[in-house]
Amino acid sequence: LAKTTQPISMDSYEGQEVNITCSHNNIATNDYITWYQQFPSQGPRFIIQGYKTKVTNEVASLFIPADRKSSTLSLPRVSLSDTAVYYCLVGDDGYNKLIFGAGTRLAVHP
Amino acid sequence: KAGVTQTPRYLIKTRGQQVTLSCSPISGHRSVSWYQQTPGQGLQFLFEYFSETQRNKGNFPGRFSGRQFSNSRSEMNVSTLELGDSALYLCASSHGQGQETQYFGPGTRLLVL
Repeated sequence: LAKTTQPISMDSYEGQEVNITCSHNNIATNDYITWYQQFPSQGPRFIIQGYKTKVTNEVASLFIPADRKSSTLSLPRVSLSDTAVYYCLVGDDGYNKLIFGAGTRLAVHP
Repeated sequence: KAGVTQTPRYLIKTRGQQVTLSCSPISGHRSVSWYQQTPGQGLQFLFEYFSETQRNKGNFPGRFSGRQFSNSRSEMNVSTLELGDSALYLCASSHGQGQETQYFGPGTRLLVL
């Protein structure tokens, strides 16, 4: 299972675009890249998933270069409510076994 | 469509007791996974059930067990509670295929005194 590396924490201000990069050098051919968001004392919430190039939904964009060894989650115009921990996951360890790392703690300031 | 529900939301137990937590998945979902979240260890996978069968298991002692019913509802049980079992217990549901979106419940906060 590919290990992921992402920054421990990031700071931003309201209205700015935030980009969180995740490194996954050993990603397997059939692995998808998935991002979850978690607020304190709540369950993680699915944000976006992609395999290659770019994926966009109403919440975020996911950029994946051709070699797929990294990916970048882009949050446009963040607000205070985007303050949360963001997890990057690659594949699963069989039968929906998600392996969570430490995640990136994003703090959005007024 | 209703989301994943977990009961109870909060629980206080003492060492040595046992506890049972319940999870109701999203309607139509046949897979339920359980996770433990602590400040020190983060989110860790406990086990996954699909159609009443355990398909995957994490690295937890045998005190942690689970089961799934024919309506896909799942329970997890922790026997002989230890202080270190204090955690947020989360369940997630999905259709049961690989690498699909997992929908998490709000969790059960367990405090062991």
